[in-house]
Amino acid sequence: TQLLEQSPQFLSIQEGENLTVYCNSSSVFSSLQWYRQEPGEGPVLLVTVVTGGEVKKLKRLTFQFGDARKDSSLHITAAQTGDTGLYLCAGAHDGNKLVFGAGTILRVKS
Amino acid sequence: KAGVTQTPRYLIKTRGQQVTLSCSPISGHRSVSWYQQTPGQGLQFLFEYFSETQRNKGNFPGRFSGRQFSNSRSEMNVSTLELGDSALYLCASSLVGNQETQYFGPGTRLLVL
Repeated sequence: TQLLEQSPQFLSIQEGENLTVYCNSSSVFSSLQWYRQEPGEGPVLLVTVVTGGEVKKLKRLTFQFGDARKDSSLHITAAQTGDTGLYLCAGAHDGNKLVFGAGTILRVKS
Repeated sequence: KAGVTQTPRYLIKTRGQQVTLSCSPISGHRSVSWYQQTPGQGLQFLFEYFSETQRNKGNFPGRFSGRQFSNSRSEMNVSTLELGDSALYLCASSLVGNQETQYFGPGTRLLVL
């Protein structure tokens, strides 16, 4: 059973379009992280959100943590081909263990 | 500062064999966590080591084991390999086990035939 549900599983869009990826759970997390992973590489941490309702911006990426700290979203504005990759959310849960979502595969076409 | 390194990057084994994977954390990091990544199950936590002690463990069979050395380098071992063990094995390091700031290595791709 996945504690963290990510949607959509796959996303194929044109360069310049906007998109949002969702990460939902019935559990409360002390913090939530977003990673991006490229083929053949390990995940790279993009951001950590810790406060309910928190919004963080990283250039064209906007991350939001739900008020109840059970869900999060990642919004990308004007996607570029370099944004292509696997996006993973992970919640800090049950002590020091991290629980990962299944991921969203994003393909940005030129 | 050098990142997390994992060796080997690729490995092919046959069923029944055993394998040892190695991870060198970022200098100064004392916590090392291991994950298994497969297309079907995603990223799953195997175990975490801190100061040479296993501090957390995921839901994997006893065939999966690990250890950490005094220099924080870590190894994981899988005995009696099964086809389903084919996966990308990722190691992540952090300063003191703070899960908010983990840094992943490139992984070891294991193929079991």
